[in-house]
Amino acid sequence: GNSVTQMEGPVTLSEEAFLTINCTYTATGYPSLFWYVQYPGEGLQLLLKATKADDKGSNKGFEATYRKETTSFHLEKGSVQVSDSAVYFCALTLGGSEKLVFGKGTKLTVNP
Amino acid sequence: GAVVSQHPSWVICKSGTSVKIECRSLDFQATTMFWYRQFPKQSLMLMATSNEGSKATYEQGVEKDKFLINHASLTLSTLTVTSAHPEDSSFYICSARDPRQGIDNSPLHFGNGTRLTVT
Repeated sequence: GNSVTQMEGPVTLSEEAFLTINCTYTATGYPSLFWYVQYPGEGLQLLLKATKADDKGSNKGFEATYRKETTSFHLEKGSVQVSDSAVYFCALTLGGSEKLVFGKGTKLTVNP
Repeated sequence: GAVVSQHPSWVICKSGTSVKIECRSLDFQATTMFWYRQFPKQSLMLMATSNEGSKATYEQGVEKDKFLINHASLTLSTLTVTSAHPEDSSFYICSARDPRQGIDNSPLHFGNGTRLTVT
């Protein structure tokens, strides 16, 4: 079946540290890949996406590259801020479907 | 921008009672809405796709008689957890896509979720 595996959290970093949240997927076909973010007290929001191999999604200083050879879509940011504290979800869809398959989420806390 | 509103944000009910959760698209019309469920430290799992004016489509393993979905208007879908039991305690989230942005470009907009606790 189709699934998404994210690194276990929680992750705690100091401000300006480098962030990596690993995400790998299993899919029957060629999925579109997403990162969603959920800030405290808010709903999930799309952070970035990539729809084909080698595409790089980027937004708000975050980046993720669709790696078909390693079936991965790791999230990175060079210098995190306190305001980046949130839960991050990796997700996929297949074949134009609107059905999202989510990872378990990774809670990030950034301390000043 | 597009907003999806979910109500209530949290609810506590007694075992055997029913609970209704509302999901509204505030500034767009949504023919399709999605209901997810999240257990602690687990993924969001799609429960069902709510279709305006027709029956909902349930994912495998989801009891349609327990989780009643009604999508009577283009801006409102409701999820009713019938005869709730403690194992139904979970975080329920709805989402919808703004059709004005086109299916390829529009992200799903999520509600803030409803925390259900059944005692």
